[in-house]
This record gives sequence, C-alpha cells and structure tokens, in this order.
Amino acid sequence: AQRVTQPEKLLSVFKGAPVELKCNYSYSGSPELFWYVQYSRQRLQLLLRHISRESIKGFTADLNKGETSFHLKKPFAQEEDSAMYYCAPRGDSWGKLQFGAGTQVVVTP
Amino acid sequence: SQTIHQWPATLVQPVGSPLSLECTVEGTSNPNLYWYRQAAGRGLQLLFYSVGIGQISSEVPQNLSASRPQDRQFILSSKKLLLSDSGFYLCAWSVGIGSSYEQYFGPGTRLTVT
Repeated sequence: AQRVTQPEKLLSVFKGAPVELKCNYSYSGSPELFWYVQYSRQRLQLLLRHISRESIKGFTADLNKGETSFHLKKPFAQEEDSAMYYCAPRGDSWGKLQFGAGTQVVVTP
Repeated sequence: SQTIHQWPATLVQPVGSPLSLECTVEGTSNPNLYWYRQAAGRGLQLLFYSVGIGQISSEVPQNLSASRPQDRQFILSSKKLLLSDSGFYLCAWSVGIGSSYEQYFGPGTRLTVT
C-alpha cells in the first residue's frame, strides 16, 4: 500500500536553529515528491518539489531513494517559518497527491 | 492569472440536512479538480478527483458525492449530513506540465455539523 509518514506532529525550534522535517514514503515506482506549506490564515501552497532541486525560502529537500525519504531542512529557522508543513508524493498520472499528516513548526525568538 | 474560489467560507448545518459546496476555477481550461477534507488533528484526505466534465473518481467510501457540471466547476454534496462530516474542505486544481502536477488550493470551507 502507498503510504507517506511524517513522524513529528510538532517541531518547536528557536530562531536561528536548524530545523529538519522528516518524511518517509512507501510507493512503487518513482513518485514525484512535494512539500506544501500552510501559513496562518493563508492557503495551502507549494513550497518545493524534488524535481526542481531548488531552495525556496532557505529550505531544501533531498530525495533519498534508498531510504525512501524526502526530508525538509533549513539551516537557520526564522519566525516566519512557523507553519504547517505537508509532505506529498504523487504516484499516478492524474496529479493525485497523498498528503502526510503534517508537521506543525513553531519558531520561537 | 488563475484563481480558485470556494463558497461558502463557513457553514453550520444540522445532522441530516443536505450539503452543497461549490468550487470554481478561473483562468485555465480542462484542469484536474480535487476535493480534500482536513479533519481536526489529521492530514488532508483526498475525497474526489475529476479529470473532465462528468468524470468523477471517489477515493474513499463515504456519505459525500461530487459532480462536475462544467469544466471549471466542482461541487461537493451530501443528501444527509453526519456528525463525522465536520471538517475543513479544500478544493484544488492542477494541470500537468510535462510530468509535473502542481496543485493550487482554494481558501477552504469550514463545515460544522451539529
């Protein structure tokens, strides 16, 4: 069965500290992987996707096919990074995403 | 530019009453459309998706149904609401660009069944 796991429900970090959000998936084939973010009072939006290999707002995510992981990292967390983060693999040709349970990140000054 | 609308923004309905939530997309043609539910303390669960007018696929058995009467209109319905239908309902659209499908989400509808 296809699964995506975000083991941390809540991550509380201090401003300037590194933050890592874990995501593990169990999918057949080679899914496309995304991180979505929802800031307070804003819509859910795309943060980054693995095929772009880009850094957005200081965040990066490395796809590790051997460990089937797609962890999201930022070396120095900022208060504006406080949000709900979802890992979402796409495993079919119709664009359907399967969202993880989400990780709430709280960055305190 | 493309936009997606949902209404109503909030809704309080008694158990057993009908439901109709509407989602419309502007600025794109033939999008894939999706309905998700976000229950309290849980992630987003895909309920329905549609790849064209009149084409609806259900992801989980439930008390809800979906329809797509027009290319850019997606409706979520129920004949009789249950308490367990309470949650935050999100509509999203996507178009495939190459092999990538980014989804764009609406503002959501907060449904409380009393």
